[in-house]
Amino acid sequence: EIVMTQSPATLSVSPGERATLSCRASQTVNNNLAWYQQKSGQAPSLLIYATSTRAAGVPARFSGSGSGTDFTLTISSLQSEDFAVYYCQQYEDWPPYTFGQGTKLEIK
Amino acid sequence: ELQVVESGGGLIQPGGSLRLSCVDSGFTLSVYDMHWVRQATGKGLEWVSGIGTVGDTYYSSSVRGRFTISRDDAENSMFLQMNSLRAEDTAVYFCARGHPASFGFDIWGQGAMVIVSS
Repeated sequence: EIVMTQSPATLSVSPGERATLSCRASQTVNNNLAWYQQKSGQAPSLLIYATSTRAAGVPARFSGSGSGTDFTLTISSLQSEDFAVYYCQQYEDWPPYTFGQGTKLEIK
Repeated sequence: ELQVVESGGGLIQPGGSLRLSCVDSGFTLSVYDMHWVRQATGKGLEWVSGIGTVGDTYYSSSVRGRFTISRDDAENSMFLQMNSLRAEDTAVYFCARGHPASFGFDIWGQGAMVIVSS
């Protein structure tokens, strides 16, 4: 089973600033990585798939990068609605699909 | 609007059984892989089970042998039969659609709460 590790657990950033979230896989996942956003009390929503492809309707301020075992989600200029928990997920080797433990992005 | 809706959650005693349902709206469920993902209160996401378009089924090691996933394409529905429930199965269970261009999950329901407690 591929273990996904996200860092940091909590990230405090001011609105308008840039946020960088990291995700590391215990073995290569090639580019088979997705990112999700989950707001409090809501279901997750797909942001990015195939490492860097934005899902339908996702604003351009969200971008994904990386390859192999190290990946990054960048939010270029934080808006109030972006403060949430973010999860990475690998789909290179399944079952099981595995998620990281999440990064909580909070207002500084 | 494309959406899925779960039902069937509730409070059940350890060792009991429960059946979750997922109904889609706005798309044809039969042409997509479908999944169940759960989240214990205050915890992260855990993939539980998935079913492919030809009925192939997959399970996490934590539920294999106790849970059964199925689909009824005529009813645009998917199900999760949960037997021998344990306290550690307590979670919100999300139904999710497999993304057509990847193996991510692109449409999620609002979740069904399952509480296993005596």
